[in-house]
Amino acid sequence: GAVVSQHPSRVICKSGTSVKIECRSLDFQATTMFWYRQFPKQSLMLMATSNEGSKATYEQGVEKDKFLINHASLTLSTLTVTSAHPEDSSFYICSALTGGEFYGYTFGSGTRLTVV
Amino acid sequence: SQQGEEDPQALSIQEGENATMNCSYKTSINNLQWYRQNSGRGLVHLILIRSNEREKHSGRLRVTLDTSKKSSSLLITASRAADTASYFCATASNQAGTALIFGKGTTLSVSS
Repeated sequence: GAVVSQHPSRVICKSGTSVKIECRSLDFQATTMFWYRQFPKQSLMLMATSNEGSKATYEQGVEKDKFLINHASLTLSTLTVTSAHPEDSSFYICSALTGGEFYGYTFGSGTRLTVV
Repeated sequence: SQQGEEDPQALSIQEGENATMNCSYKTSINNLQWYRQNSGRGLVHLILIRSNEREKHSGRLRVTLDTSKKSSSLLITASRAADTASYFCATASNQAGTALIFGKGTTLSVSS
């Protein structure tokens, strides 16, 4: 089946630094990927839709200059949290839209970001 | 953006009992999916029901969909302690290439 690999699984960074999270589709080409954020005891909130070769589409209230998304290839999308602050601490999950016989949504295992 | 409410927000039951969770959504959908998430972990896909289906079964899971009421329910029969987790419904719209939108979730606690 379709597999999405997300790295790192956990990261701790200092306030003011930037953190990059990678999301790779291992056995299929993902034209479209999605990034979600989940705060403790809450649901997944869609942050942005990432399409290969074009600019990401951000949901209302999500700062595009703070959460940089790059989808330069059909197998890799990255989310960079710039100038991270403690309030950015959250669980970030990517998802890829699969095609063919595996049509559907495949999720990465998530990244726990802690900003200290 | 989120689709709507799930109820109950939290549910505590004993092993062997059935657990029913409900989900409501706001827009037209292509399909509705249920996911499980153990604390601090990733999502596990449980079951998908298409908009033209009314009921679906998978093992101890039973899902219903009422598109006229824009609601779905997930029934877990003969619950086990291992079913303890958060459960989310997620809807896929009819517009191709759009993201799944998640409900607020139900936290299920099954005690032995």
